[in-house]
Amino acid sequence: KQEVTQIPAALSVPEGENLVLNCSFTDSAIYNLQWFRQDPGKGLTSLLLIQSSQREQTSGRLNASLDKSSGRSTLYIAASQPGDSATYLCAVYSGGNMLTFGGGTRLMVKP
Amino acid sequence: DAGVIQSPRHEVTEMGQEVTLRCKPISGHNSLFWYRQTMMRGLELLIYFNNNVPIDDSGMPEDRFSAKMPNASFSTLKIQPSEPRDSAVYFCASKQGGQGLGTQYFGPGTRLLVL
Repeated sequence: KQEVTQIPAALSVPEGENLVLNCSFTDSAIYNLQWFRQDPGKGLTSLLLIQSSQREQTSGRLNASLDKSSGRSTLYIAASQPGDSATYLCAVYSGGNMLTFGGGTRLMVKP
Repeated sequence: DAGVIQSPRHEVTEMGQEVTLRCKPISGHNSLFWYRQTMMRGLELLIYFNNNVPIDDSGMPEDRFSAKMPNASFSTLKIQPSEPRDSAVYFCASKQGGQGLGTQYFGPGTRLLVL
């Protein structure tokens, strides 16, 4: 059974810092990996999707990498802003049509 | 497109009552997912449909939970009878594409409180 772990569970940084969020998964036989953002009381918004054949995806200040063989992904946020404060969730497709989610990293960017 | 629409946004009910949650997926999407999110267990998949057909309901906690998708634009998740431990945020999501393809788009969720 696929298990997804995110470290750290919470992170607080000053505005302007570059930061890395980590995601690991136990079964490397995945179709793709997605990073989502969730604001308090809201639904999830997809940030980046990396297919299993890809190594990374970029969108603006966000860059996600995937190392399928080692079961790891990172989300890099450059020049963090207070508006980046949210919970970031990693999820993998590993069979069927289902996503398995990590527990999330709660990010606080202080002005 | 308005995105995935869920109703109600908030529901407060008493133990033993029937609860029905509703979802309208994005037009043209062929897969629909129901999730439950709690502090203790995080985000869990309950059931998903492909082309209106339930494919995997192994995440449904027990027989008190049932889900239907009578057509491509509507799905319901019903809890009968409801219990306090069912209190959670329930999300509906939809996507276009086959296995492992496409991005899931989430609705705003229904926050359920069972007293």
